[in-house]
Amino acid sequence: GQQLNQSPQSMFIQEGEDVSMNCTSSSIFNTWLWYKQDPGEGPVLLIALYKAGELTSNGRLTAQFGITRKDSFLNISASIPSDVGIYFCAGQTSGSRLTFGEGTQLTVNP
Amino acid sequence: SAVISQKPSRDICQRGTSLTIQCQVDSQVTMMFWYRQQPGQSLTLIATANQGSEATYESGFVIDKFPISRPNLTFSTLTVSNMSPEDSSIYLCSVEAPSNYGYTFGSGTRLTVV
Repeated sequence: GQQLNQSPQSMFIQEGEDVSMNCTSSSIFNTWLWYKQDPGEGPVLLIALYKAGELTSNGRLTAQFGITRKDSFLNISASIPSDVGIYFCAGQTSGSRLTFGEGTQLTVNP
Repeated sequence: SAVISQKPSRDICQRGTSLTIQCQVDSQVTMMFWYRQQPGQSLTLIATANQGSEATYESGFVIDKFPISRPNLTFSTLTVSNMSPEDSSIYLCSVEAPSNYGYTFGSGTRLTVV
């Protein structure tokens, strides 16, 4: 089946720093989604990408759908303590199930 | 986006027993999805629940272990049957968001089997 490689697995940064994480796949996806999961909660959608090359922002978050359709990245600028959590990418081909990456655990030190 | 109410939020169960998890959505949806998230892991799709038909299970998941009901377009249940400690996980339901903008998740059920 399809697999997503998400990196890094974990990040420890200082408040105010920028963060970048990415997902790559051996398969092509038509949709890339980025989620954040807080402890004890379900994942919450941050950004959805539907076109190759698309660059979308949501506040301090920016995500891009790779030109090859096999990768995507998420950037967080000027991190703050509430950015702490697990970030998941998810890819989808038309009409198929979501495939999730393994997650990036982000820790922000004040 | 759709609002999902999932319950119980957590439970501690004895091995060999069964637990039924409920998922209620505030709008009618065609498909509801059930995921498992093992400790420290990513999300794995268990099955897709369609109203009026049997659920479609992913490889590695079977109806006898994870029976699903979908009596109407706003509600579904997942039962974890004959539980063992290996079933200790977070179980999440999900629906496609309006305008096909991604998928919305419930807050999950944290299950511990002792």
